[in-house]
Amino acid sequence: AQKVTQAQTEISVVEKEDVTLDCVYETRDTTYYLFWYKQPPSGELVFLIRRNSFDEQNEISGRYSWNFQKSTSSFNFTITASQVVDSAVYFCALSEANNFNKFYFGSGTKLNVKP
Amino acid sequence: NAGVTQTPKFQVLKTGQSMTLQCAQDMNHEYMSWYRQDPGMGLRLIHYSVGAGITDQGEVPNGYNVSRSTTEDFPLRLLSAAPSQTSVYFCASSRDRSWQPQHFGDGTRLSIL
Repeated sequence: AQKVTQAQTEISVVEKEDVTLDCVYETRDTTYYLFWYKQPPSGELVFLIRRNSFDEQNEISGRYSWNFQKSTSSFNFTITASQVVDSAVYFCALSEANNFNKFYFGSGTKLNVKP
Repeated sequence: NAGVTQTPKFQVLKTGQSMTLQCAQDMNHEYMSWYRQDPGMGLRLIHYSVGAGITDQGEVPNGYNVSRSTTEDFPLRLLSAAPSQTSVYFCASSRDRSWQPQHFGDGTRLSIL
């Protein structure tokens, strides 16, 4: 079974639309960390956010917001008023405090924002 | 601030050749790690280090060696390149293992013929 599932392979929106990228994870650890990364077409990787399992507060950073819900094992990412520069592949990832030699990436969601 | 610097950016090798991918960071981070990214996939952890002189295996360590003689440098060595090692390699650093990976190098695109 996949530890991190990003069911949306590709999403296309028109600029200024809001878009939510879904991430569902699976773990038996009580201490774990969830991440989102952005990989634009140029190929570099950009860290966006880290959330530990004890902090369920939602977070907002500019047009980005994250909704962490332990009850549904989800850590969803919303971009408000999307822009063309948001076009990228977005990865959700999980690490477990009891097993730092593994790092579980989702398969990524490709976001296309059209002008 | 250079952050994490990886060299080279591109490399083509023949099967059986060896080479070293260089990684250096100037943020005084204790934790450094190497990942590979295959087409259409996320990252997989190869090796990591929690400080100078300490390294450990990640999920896919076979065919790779690492060393950490200084806090700044964490080179990755391919011992005998195989076509299955064709991939994009990323080095990363973070303040500690619970934040890894956080700061990335630009990646090395490696092709093994």
